[in-house]
Order: sequence, then C-alpha cells, then structure tokens
Amino acid sequence: EPEVTQTPSHQVTQMGQEVILRCVPISNHLYFYWYRQILGQKVEFLVSFYNNEISEKSEIFDDQFSVERPDGSNFTLKIRSTKLEDSAMYFCASRGGGTYNSPLHFGNGTRLTVT
Amino acid sequence: AQSVTQLGSHVSVSEGALVLLRCNYSSSVPPYLFWYVQYPNQGLQLLLKYTSAATLVKGINGFEAEFKKSETSFHLTKPSAHMSDAAEYFCAVSSSMRTGNQFYFGTGTSLTVIP
Repeated sequence: EPEVTQTPSHQVTQMGQEVILRCVPISNHLYFYWYRQILGQKVEFLVSFYNNEISEKSEIFDDQFSVERPDGSNFTLKIRSTKLEDSAMYFCASRGGGTYNSPLHFGNGTRLTVT
Repeated sequence: AQSVTQLGSHVSVSEGALVLLRCNYSSSVPPYLFWYVQYPNQGLQLLLKYTSAATLVKGINGFEAEFKKSETSFHLTKPSAHMSDAAEYFCAVSSSMRTGNQFYFGTGTSLTVIP
C-alpha cells in the first residue's frame, strides 16, 4: 500500500538555524498538510496546500514557516530561524481529491529538537 | 465551524474489558468523522471513518464506532481490550471548506490496558 514518507526521522538543530523537513506524499494525492505535535500534547494543524498554493494556515504558521512543492513528488516545510519552542514531532499528511470523506494518510513524522 | 471534543484524556481498562473512548462533534454540515490511533514513536494510523453509508462503522483491530446524530457523538468501542491496544487515540472531523479541506483533531485519549 502506498505510504507517505518523511525524512529525516530525527533532526537536531541549534536555535536560529534554518531547517527543512521533507515529505513525499502518496503519488496521486492532491491535498497536502503539515501538523505538529509537541511532546505530550495534541496534534496541531499547521498548513494545508492544494493546487500549488497554501489553502489554509493556522496561527502557528507565521512568517518563519514556509512550504513548497518543488517538484512533482516532494513537499517541504521550512522553518527559517528555529526557536526552542519549535521542538516537536512534525507530521506530513496527504489526501486524495474528490470527496471530503477521504482520510488523511500520515507519515511517521520527523522529530525536531532545537537546542 | 467543525470541531471535536474527546472526553477523558486518559482511560484505563483491564485486559479483556470493554473499551469506550468518547468523541462528540460540532458541525454545521453533515460531518465526516474519523478515528486515528498513534502508537509510541509512530505516526497516526486510520482506524475507521464515517462516510454516511452506515451509522455503525467497523475498523481495524476489532474497533468500531457508532455515529449518533441525535447525540452528536462518534464513540469508539472494542468489546475486549488487548495489551497491544495501548496507544493514543484521536477523533477527527473533516471540513468541507471551499479550499482548505482541513481536518480538525480532538485532544486525544491515552488508553492504558492493565494486565
């Protein structure tokens, strides 16, 4: 069964550094998402992406965050200048088009640790 | 606007006992509802989804959920808990927004199974 893949599985970075988290969504999916989960807390929506543009973003997704689909397969999340509070598990997800009852398919996440 | 509320952030049951995880939704339109499971250090895996075809939905690993419109509920049940069911469970509702196509997650319920 096709799956969403995320790399790296764990990323350690220093405060103020830029990080890029990478995702390969399921190939025929049209909607792409980033969520994050701070340790012990709920899954929080960051951004959704459709037709090569952001369709919705949360308050968390400020100017320090950006997303890109540079080619037909990758979907990236960039944090320009990381802060300690950006430490979290970041999940990429994708979804097929056509109906609103199609579920999200999640990757296994990238654990970002900002020191 | 759509949202879900999960009552009980932690639930403990004995092995072999009934599992009941509660989820109530709020939606101005007919909702599409989902349950996801997250095992330690893993991504979110779809357990089951409600698509309006049937009010009682069967999922993987012996779980099922019943959609009750009158109670705006979509509780998750399993007749007999296994040790392997210990995980975090998330209820989610899908928004049929014009472009966002966003999922809204509950805060999660951590299930502990006592031997």
